[in-house]
Amino acid sequence: GENVEQHPSTLSVQEGDSAVIKCTYSDSASNYFPWYKQELGKGPQLIIDIRSNVGEKKDQRIAVTLNKTAKHFSLHITETQPEDSAVYFCAASKDSGGGADGLTFGKGTHLIIQP
Amino acid sequence: DAGITQSPRHKVTETGTPVTLRCHQTENHRYMYWYRQDPGHGLRLIHYSYGVKDTDKGEVSDGYSVSRSKTEDFLLTLESATSSQTSVYFCAITSDRLQALHFGNGTRLTVT
Repeated sequence: GENVEQHPSTLSVQEGDSAVIKCTYSDSASNYFPWYKQELGKGPQLIIDIRSNVGEKKDQRIAVTLNKTAKHFSLHITETQPEDSAVYFCAASKDSGGGADGLTFGKGTHLIIQP
Repeated sequence: DAGITQSPRHKVTETGTPVTLRCHQTENHRYMYWYRQDPGHGLRLIHYSYGVKDTDKGEVSDGYSVSRSKTEDFLLTLESATSSQTSVYFCAITSDRLQALHFGNGTRLTVT
């Protein structure tokens, strides 16, 4: 089955700096790659996603890049702010239709924004 | 929270007792999912439903059963709880399999 590796497990950056979280996946058939943010005591919330027909997608300070050849995708957060502190999860769908029942999640990255 | 309510939010139970967790949605979404979240494992799919009375197993379904008798409710049952089922359980919904999941705020279950 699909295997998603996420690095680093903890990332500490100074406020205002950029943060990058990387994920690799094993199944070349995966074609849907969402990123979720989880704050303490809450459920994960989708922040951005990308499909395999796109190489990069941006939404204000957040961007995701996808390299299908290398089977890795990354989350980039620029101009980090204290409210960016959270646990971030990447995921990949092994279902050919990109269905949620085929999602495999990474183990998460705890992002800490230092004031 | 996309109109998702999980109950209870916290529960402590003893090994061998049955436990039922409830997920209630007000979005009229077709698809509903149960995940468990454990340190070092991320989120793992237990069971999912693609309609009333239509359910299927996920990656870690052993020891769990589900039921969906109404669109808005998806129940997760541990027939005989074990300590290995101590976890945080999340319900998620989506209107379309190709769309993003929306998660509830979770139920923290402790089996002693």
